[in-house]
Amino acid sequence: LAKTTQPISMDSYEGQEVNITCSHNNIATNDYITWYQQFPSQGPRFIIQGYKTKVTNEVASLFIPADRKSSTLSLPRVSLSDTAVYYCLGRGGGFKTIFGAGTRLFVKA
Amino acid sequence: NAGVTQTPKFRVLKTGQSMTLLCAQDMNHEYMYWYRQDPGMGLRLIHYSVGEGTTAKGEVPDGYNVSRLKKQNFLLGLESAAPSQTSVYFCASSYGGQGATYSPLHFGNGTRLTVT
Repeated sequence: LAKTTQPISMDSYEGQEVNITCSHNNIATNDYITWYQQFPSQGPRFIIQGYKTKVTNEVASLFIPADRKSSTLSLPRVSLSDTAVYYCLGRGGGFKTIFGAGTRLFVKA
Repeated sequence: NAGVTQTPKFRVLKTGQSMTLLCAQDMNHEYMYWYRQDPGMGLRLIHYSVGEGTTAKGEVPDGYNVSRLKKQNFLLGLESAAPSQTSVYFCASSYGGQGATYSPLHFGNGTRLTVT
């Protein structure tokens, strides 16, 4: 199972692009990189997942370099409602999906 | 379509009491999971199930038991609650077909348990 390292917290302002980088030096060959978002008093919600290069959906983009030792979640033009905890994790090697402590993003007006 | 529903939402127990947390999903998912989340920490996997009638231990299984008698339900039991089990408990489910280990987890909104 890949151990991931993320910044503990980040601050941003409304309208800015936010990039959260996750380090996963020992990611397994068959692991996908997956990001979840968690609001207070709610369970985590799946945002995006990728294996390599770039993946984009209506919520975010995910950039994974060729060596796959890190990944970057990009949130375009954040709003106050994007204030949440963001989790990066490796998944694919079984059913024991492991969450780290996540990155607490605080968006200011 | 309710997704994953957890009951109760809140509960206070005294040390030594027992209780069962219920998780129900209506997405016909094969896999179900129980996590606990403590302040400042990520989610830690307690137990999981890959199908009706099967369960397996996660990272922190001690003090908990689970049962999956029906595909749509996954129960988490505390036989003798301890203050260290004060936490927020989340249930999740995921698709069980081809590529299942890559399929996203769908979470409920949690049960906040306090053990005094």
